[in-house]
Amino acid sequence: DAMVIQNPRYQVTQFGKPVTLSCSQTLNHNVMYWYQQKSSQAPKLLFHYYDKDFNNEADTPDNFQSRRPNTSFCFLDIRSPGLGDAAMYLCATSRVEGTITDTQYFGPGTRLTVL
Amino acid sequence: AQKITQTQPGMFVQEKEAVTLDCTYDTSDPSYGLFWYKQPSSGEMIFLIYQGSYDQQNATEGRYSLNFQKARKSANLVISASQLGDSAMYFCAMRGPYSSASKIIFGSGTRLSIRP
Repeated sequence: DAMVIQNPRYQVTQFGKPVTLSCSQTLNHNVMYWYQQKSSQAPKLLFHYYDKDFNNEADTPDNFQSRRPNTSFCFLDIRSPGLGDAAMYLCATSRVEGTITDTQYFGPGTRLTVL
Repeated sequence: AQKITQTQPGMFVQEKEAVTLDCTYDTSDPSYGLFWYKQPSSGEMIFLIYQGSYDQQNATEGRYSLNFQKARKSANLVISASQLGDSAMYFCAMRGPYSSASKIIFGSGTRLSIRP
């Protein structure tokens, strides 16, 4: 089945130690998104890629970076995680950008713990 | 600016009953899309149903239907014959026209609990 895959499902890191979360998709979608979701809150968009074009949200901290080496994979790098970065990180994809009908499909998420 | 409001933080419903989750939205754009997602405790956001602003009929997907009242700017989700597996967080979301179509705006969510 075509899907969005995130690894690992659970990640524990230490305060200040860089961490990378990965996302892959078999949907062949052009757009990939990274969201941060804290407990009992709605997901918050960090950035997205339309093909290789990177789009950063204005309020995304510089501590968060992303890479998309090819259509299938996208990575979220947290350079120096703080305690406030502990959250669920959701990857999503959509077929195209710029249409109201385009649906975002989400992966299972990576739950990040910062010690 | 676009906004989604879900006024029910939590709901308890008896199994097999129908349930309505409320969602109101605000936008000045004539063209927009409305979505409902389900998020079980495992964390995955599962797409349930979509309604376009120009769609004449209410969307339906199996046990899910969307009660779209454009003049009132409401897009309530109706789940018929609720099941224990329906217990989850439910998010209403909206997507705007081209200039902001990359962004989905989410409501604060409603936590639905189904009682056996």
